[in-house]
Amino acid sequence: AQSVSQHNHHVILSEAASLELGCNYSYGGTVNLFWYVQYPGQHLQLLLKYFSGDPLVKGIKGFEAEFIKSKFSFNLRKPSVQWSDTAEYFCAVRPDSNYQLIWGAGTKLIIKP
Amino acid sequence: DGGITQSPKYLFRKEGQNVTLSCEQNLNHDAMYWYRQDPGQGLRLIYYSQIVNDFQKGDIAEGYSVSREKKESFPLTVTSAQKNPTAFYLCASGGRGVSNQPQHFGDGTRLSIL
Repeated sequence: AQSVSQHNHHVILSEAASLELGCNYSYGGTVNLFWYVQYPGQHLQLLLKYFSGDPLVKGIKGFEAEFIKSKFSFNLRKPSVQWSDTAEYFCAVRPDSNYQLIWGAGTKLIIKP
Repeated sequence: DGGITQSPKYLFRKEGQNVTLSCEQNLNHDAMYWYRQDPGQGLRLIYYSQIVNDFQKGDIAEGYSVSREKKESFPLTVTSAQKNPTAFYLCASGGRGVSNQPQHFGDGTRLSIL
């Protein structure tokens, strides 16, 4: 069955640390890839997405993600995190020509001031 | 401000009872989605609708029903056939077509069994 794996359920970092959140999926065909974020007390929202082209995708608030097809991965990165990045982050994958997203379980990120 | 309104925020269901969760959007989005979230799991798609008067089953549609009579509204009914309905339910909306994705989410409804 198709699945999305987010390796860490909880990550705690200090401000200015670099961030990388892992996301791997199991599907051999073409995919669309997404990262969503939910800040405390706010709605879930789209952070960035990849459909085709440059595998390095820039999102809002300094986030980026790199699609590595050979590794079935779409890891989220930020060079220097801020306290305001405290949130839960979800990776989602859509197999080609399919309306449905397959979601990871989420990673709770806590940034210590 | 445009957005998605889900109601109620908390809902309790008795055994054998049907309950309906409301989802309204004023974003003029064609597509709407219902997801279920269980602890430690990602969102799972229950139903989605790409256009008024049309909807499709997601991965876990059994025990649920929906309607899409108006563009703004996509109510979800949790029927008595759903044996494990306790969960957090999220409604979302977005553009139509395979190149689009859920973009806006509601606050969710937490359903519990009495």
